[in-house]
Amino acid sequence: AQSVAQPEDQVNVAEGNPLTVKCTYSVSGNPYLFWYVQYPNRGLQFLLKYITGDNLVKGSYGFEAEFNKSQTSFHLKKPSALVSDSALYFCAVRDMTPDKLIFGTGTRLQVFP
Amino acid sequence: DVKVTQSSRYLVKRTGEKVFLECVQDMDHENMFWYRQDPGLGLRLIYFSYDVKMKEKGDIPEGYSVSREKKERFSLILESASTNQTSMYLCASGPLNTEAFFGQGTRLTVV
Repeated sequence: AQSVAQPEDQVNVAEGNPLTVKCTYSVSGNPYLFWYVQYPNRGLQFLLKYITGDNLVKGSYGFEAEFNKSQTSFHLKKPSALVSDSALYFCAVRDMTPDKLIFGTGTRLQVFP
Repeated sequence: DVKVTQSSRYLVKRTGEKVFLECVQDMDHENMFWYRQDPGLGLRLIYFSYDVKMKEKGDIPEGYSVSREKKERFSLILESASTNQTSMYLCASGPLNTEAFFGQGTRLTVV
């Protein structure tokens, strides 16, 4: 079965510093991987996806993610964190049979001024 | 913009009540999903649907049912609400090869 793991419940980073939110995956076949963000009392918003092609994927709000097949990872990154990036981040993988999204447990990002 | 609208932001219901959570999308998506979100557990899939009158069980269907009479509307039903169903419920729609679009969520409290 397809799955994703987010090993960190919370990540703390100072504003202006680079940030990384980790995700590892387990899939059979080629993975379809996603990152979503959830601001307080809101639904999830799509950030970026990897389907095929370049291992570095660029998304919304200056975020990017690096797909690493050998390490089965898809870490979310941003060169310079903003306080407004503080939110809950979810990694997800597409399971084809049947077709649905499977989410990780989420990582809370806290950016301090 | 794609919109997925959930009928209520907050709901408080009594144990044993029948509860309806409504979700409407305006982009003619075939796929619709209901997730439950709990701290430390992430999002867990309750039910999903690929077409009108079609439904599939997700990972945690017990205690829930769904209805999809029209393409744009996907309803989640709690037949007899229990306190362990207190949670945030999220509806989503969309083709999964691109992205899924989420509603704003319904925070349900069962007392």
